Amino acid sequence: KQEVTQIPAALSVPEGENLVLNCSFTDSAIYNLQWFRQDPGKGLTSLLLIQSSQREQTSGRLNASLDKSSGRSTLYIAASQPGDSATYLCAVGAWVSGGYNKLIFGAGTRLAVHP
Amino acid sequence: DGGITQSPKYLFRKEGQNVTLSCEQNLNHDAMYWYRQDPGQGLRLIYYSQIVNDFQKGDIAEGYSVSREKKESFPLTVTSAQKNPTAFYLCASSIDRRNTGELFFGEGSRLTVL
Repeated sequence: KQEVTQIPAALSVPEGENLVLNCSFTDSAIYNLQWFRQDPGKGLTSLLLIQSSQREQTSGRLNASLDKSSGRSTLYIAASQPGDSATYLCAVGAWVSGGYNKLIFGAGTRLAVHP
Repeated sequence: DGGITQSPKYLFRKEGQNVTLSCEQNLNHDAMYWYRQDPGQGLRLIYYSQIVNDFQKGDIAEGYSVSREKKESFPLTVTSAQKNPTAFYLCASSIDRRNTGELFFGEGSRLTVL
């Protein structure tokens, strides 16, 4: 059974720091991996989608890497800003019967960036 | 603007009542999903639909029901059989029925049982 773990559960950093959020999964047979951002009381916003054949994706100050063999993904945030404060969730996609790609979510890392 | 609209944002229910959460999308996506989020836990899949008039149970379907009569609509009913319904409910969609691309979410509905 696929399990997704995110460490740390919470992180507080001063503005301007570069930081890394970690996501690990137990089964390397994944189809893709997505990183999401969630603000309090809101829905999820997709940040980056990495297909299983890719090693990384970049969007602005965000860079996500994927190492299927070790079951790990990292989300790198450069030059953090207070507006980056949110919960970050990763989700891995795995095929299930019926030809459907099911997403399995981690519990998230709650990030606080203080001025 | 294209997106997913969930309503109501907040809902209170007395024990024994059924309630229905609305989810509408104008993204022309084939697949739609309902997730439940509890504090400190990852999202858990309740039901999903890959095409109109078809839906499948997810991991925690007991006490819930859905319908998919139109491509753009996927309402979720929380029945009185759901023992612990207080949670944050999220609707999502993806462009293809195999869910190989990005997943887009609505703003969520918070259900509280009184």
